[in-house]
Amino acid sequence: DAGVIQSPRHEVTEMGQEVTLRCKPISGHDYLFWYRQTMMRGLELLIYFNNNVPIDDSGMPEDRFSAKMPNASFSTLKIQPSEPRDSAVYFCASSPRGEKNIQYFGAGTRLSVL
Amino acid sequence: DQQVKQNSPSLSVQEGRISILNCDYTNSMFDYFLWYKKYPAEGPTFLISISSIKDKNEDGRFTVFLNKSAKHLSLHIVPSQPGDSAVYFCAASSSGGGADGLTFGKGTHLIIQP
Repeated sequence: DAGVIQSPRHEVTEMGQEVTLRCKPISGHDYLFWYRQTMMRGLELLIYFNNNVPIDDSGMPEDRFSAKMPNASFSTLKIQPSEPRDSAVYFCASSPRGEKNIQYFGAGTRLSVL
Repeated sequence: DQQVKQNSPSLSVQEGRISILNCDYTNSMFDYFLWYKKYPAEGPTFLISISSIKDKNEDGRFTVFLNKSAKHLSLHIVPSQPGDSAVYFCAASSSGGGADGLTFGKGTHLIIQP
C-alpha cells in the first residue's frame, strides 16, 4: 500500500480564498483523522471519522472549517474563507478497526495564507 | 492547558549511548500512550506504545516506561544511531470519556552526534 496520500503538499493562497485539502487513507482503514500542526500549539486533532461518519469535530476551530468524507477512500478539509492564522501543516491519518490509536500519517500539506 | 508535556525541546546524544526522552501528562483518564517519530517533510510514524496496565514495553532498541503514579513516561533508545535523529512526539489517549483521538506533546528534537 502507498500509505496515506495527501494533496497538495504545499498550498499558498491569499486571505479570503477558499482552500481544499485532500486525503486518501490506507485502503481498509476504518478511521480517518485530520490534525493541524503549528509552532504555538503543536499537533492538534481537528476532526475524525469512523466508517465515513464524523464522530468528533470538537477540535475544528470555527465555522470556517469543514470536513467531509464522501466515501471510504477520500476526505477533504475545507477552509472558507482562509485567514493568515490558518497557516500551518495539516496532517491526515488513518487507522484500522480495532487499532484506532495506531495511526498512520500522510506527509502533510503545508498551508500558507498571505 | 497542555495535557501532554515534553519539557525538553531538544536533546543531543552521542552515537552508541542511551537516549532518554521524557513525557509528562496531566489527564488521569489517559490509559494508552504512544511515541511517534518524525523526520522533516514527512508525517509522524508510529514507534512504540504502552497500555496503562503495563509499566514497560520493549521493541528492539526502543523501550517505553510508564510511571502512572507520577504521570510520567519515558522512551529509551539504546544504542542510539544516527538514523534516530528526528523529532519524537509523545501521545496519549483515553478509552473512556473525553475527546477521542490522540493528544500530542510538542515534541523533542533528538540529535545523535557521531
